[in-house]
Amino acid sequence: EPEVTQTPSHQVTQMGQEVILRCVPISNHLYFYWYRQILGQKVEFLVSFYNNEISEKSEIFDDQFSVERPDGSNFTLKIRSTKLEDSAMYFCASSVQSNQPQHFGDGTRLSIL
Amino acid sequence: RKEVEQDPGPFNVPEGATVAFNCTYSNSASQSFFWYRQDCRKEPKLLMSVYSSGNEDGRFTAQLNRASQYISLLIRDSKLSDSATYLCVVDPGNTGKLIFGQGTTLQVKP
Repeated sequence: EPEVTQTPSHQVTQMGQEVILRCVPISNHLYFYWYRQILGQKVEFLVSFYNNEISEKSEIFDDQFSVERPDGSNFTLKIRSTKLEDSAMYFCASSVQSNQPQHFGDGTRLSIL
Repeated sequence: RKEVEQDPGPFNVPEGATVAFNCTYSNSASQSFFWYRQDCRKEPKLLMSVYSSGNEDGRFTAQLNRASQYISLLIRDSKLSDSATYLCVVDPGNTGKLIFGQGTTLQVKP
C-alpha cells in the first residue's frame, strides 16, 4: 500500500537555527498538508498546498514557516529561526482531493534545545 | 465551544465488549467527517469516513447526526489491538483543513 514518508524521524536543533522537514507524499495525490502535535495535545493544522501554492494556513503558520515542493516528489516544511515552543511532532499528509481522506506520514519529532 | 469536542476517557473495557464514543462539532456547515486512530506517539491512521446515512466497516459503525452536530463511533467485540486513541476529525469547509478533537483513549483488557 502506498504511503507518505517523512525524514528525518527525529531532529534535534539549537534554538534560532533553521530546520527543514521533508516529506514524500503518495504519488497520485494532489493535495499536501502539514500538521503538528505538541506532546499531550491535539493535532493542529498548519498549512495546505495545492498546485504549487498555499491553499490555506493557520495562525500558527507565521512568517517563520514556509513550504515548498522543490521537485516532483518532495514536499518540505522550513522553520527559519526555531523557538523552544516549536518542539512537537510534525506530520505530513496527502490526499487525492481536498475533501477526501488524508493519509499521514509517521512524523518527524522536532526537539529544540 | 470547542470546534470538535470529545470525552478524553480513558474507557477501560474487557475484550469482547461493545464500546461507543461520541463527538460534537461546532460548525453546523461542516461537510466532511472522519474517525482516525492514533497509537502512542504514532501518526493518525484513517479508520473510516462518516457518511450522513451512517456506515459500517466490520466491527466499526459510524453515525452522523447533523441536527445535533454529533458523531459517534461504535466498536463491537473489542480486541486488545483496538487499544488506542480515537480521534474525531471534521473538515468544516471541505478544504482539507482538518480540525481534530482531543481524542478518546480506549484500553481493552484481557
